[in-house]
Order: sequence, then C-alpha cells, then structure tokens
Amino acid sequence: KNQVEQSPQSLIILEGKNCTLQCNYTVSPFSNLRWYKQDTGRGPVSLTIMTFSENTKSNGRYTATLDADTKQSSLHITASQLSDSASYICVVRRGNAGNMLTFGGGTRLMVKP
Amino acid sequence: KAGVTQTPRYLIKTRGQQVTLSCSPISGHRSVSWYQQTPGQGLQFLFEYFSETQRNKGNFPGRFSGRQFSNSRSEMNVSTLELGDSALYLCASSRASFMGLAGETGELFFGEGSRLTVL
Repeated sequence: KNQVEQSPQSLIILEGKNCTLQCNYTVSPFSNLRWYKQDTGRGPVSLTIMTFSENTKSNGRYTATLDADTKQSSLHITASQLSDSASYICVVRRGNAGNMLTFGGGTRLMVKP
Repeated sequence: KAGVTQTPRYLIKTRGQQVTLSCSPISGHRSVSWYQQTPGQGLQFLFEYFSETQRNKGNFPGRFSGRQFSNSRSEMNVSTLELGDSALYLCASSRASFMGLAGETGELFFGEGSRLTVL
C-alpha cells in the first residue's frame, strides 16, 4: 500500500534552535518527494522538491535530504524563528500518477520565544 | 503574477444541499487538481484536470465531481452534502501534470482553500 508516514506528529522548540522532521514512504514507483509548509487555515507552500537522483536540497534555513534506498527523507530547520510555526507535510508523487499525490499526516511545529 | 484563487473562502451548508467551489489557476497553468483536508484524514487527492480532461480521480464517492473549462478554470461540486464533507478544499495548479518536459518540475501551487462547514 502506498503510504507516507511522518514523525513526530508535533514538536515544540525554542526560537533559535534547530530541529529535524522525518518522513518514511512506501510509495512506488517513486517520482519525487516534496516538503510543504502550511500555516493554519492557509494553503500549503512548497519548500523543496527532490527526485530520485537528488539527496540534498536547501531552501534558505530549510534543508531536505532524501535516501531513496531506505525510502526516508528528513527536513532540517536551522535557527528556527517564530514564523516557522506551522505544519510541515511530506508528499510523495508516484510515477505516472500526475498530481495524484500521497500525503503524510504532517508534523505540527511550534516555535516558542 | 497572481496566485491560485479559490472562491468562496468560507461557506456553510446543511445536509442534503449541494455546493460548487471555484478555482482559477495561475496564468499559463493547464493542470488543476483538487484535495480535501480534514483533521482526521489529512490531505487526500480528489481529482486532477488537464486541458478540460479528468486525468486522475481519487477514492471519493460519485457525489464529488469536477470539471475544467477552456480557460483552465475549474469547479468542483459536491451533491447531497453529508456532515463528513466538512473540510478545507484545496485547489492547486501546475504547468503540466506529467513530468518529462524540459525544466518542468511539476511543482504545485496551492490556493488558500475553501472552508466548507456542513450542519
């Protein structure tokens, strides 16, 4: 069954600290993996997209890694800010499935001052 | 460049009614896909349209339907509403729904969603 599992479900960190969110998937065949940030009540915003051949991609303070062999990805946030408080969703696209994406349940991050 | 626009942003309906939601994609984007987001199930794919044709459909009952117009704008309709249809309905657009085009990442751009409450 094609699934995307994220951990932890929620996380509280202090402003300025780093954190890492995890994503494991069983989606096959694999096309690409995306990380989205979703503020409460808003639409998701893309952070990174990685294909099979990419194992690291950065977007400012966000760095995503992908291990296609173990089917694991992580999103590392450096020097967190209050504005990083949001849900982070891992999304996997199956080959030849267009935008029929498989979503993880998300990690809700709260950054406290 | 204007983003994806969804209307209405909020609406309240009662059980048994039907609802139509609208989505205007980013100019030049021909692929529009719809997703349902609920606290219990998270984000789930509803359907995807490209050049007025439905390309993919998720595992939802026939009460959920959609269409795409020649200008790429899309609508989705839910008939005979149930309490469980209360959700945030998100529309997303992309240049193409298939990979392989030079420089095409398949990146999706989401709208702000339509929050439907069924009483």
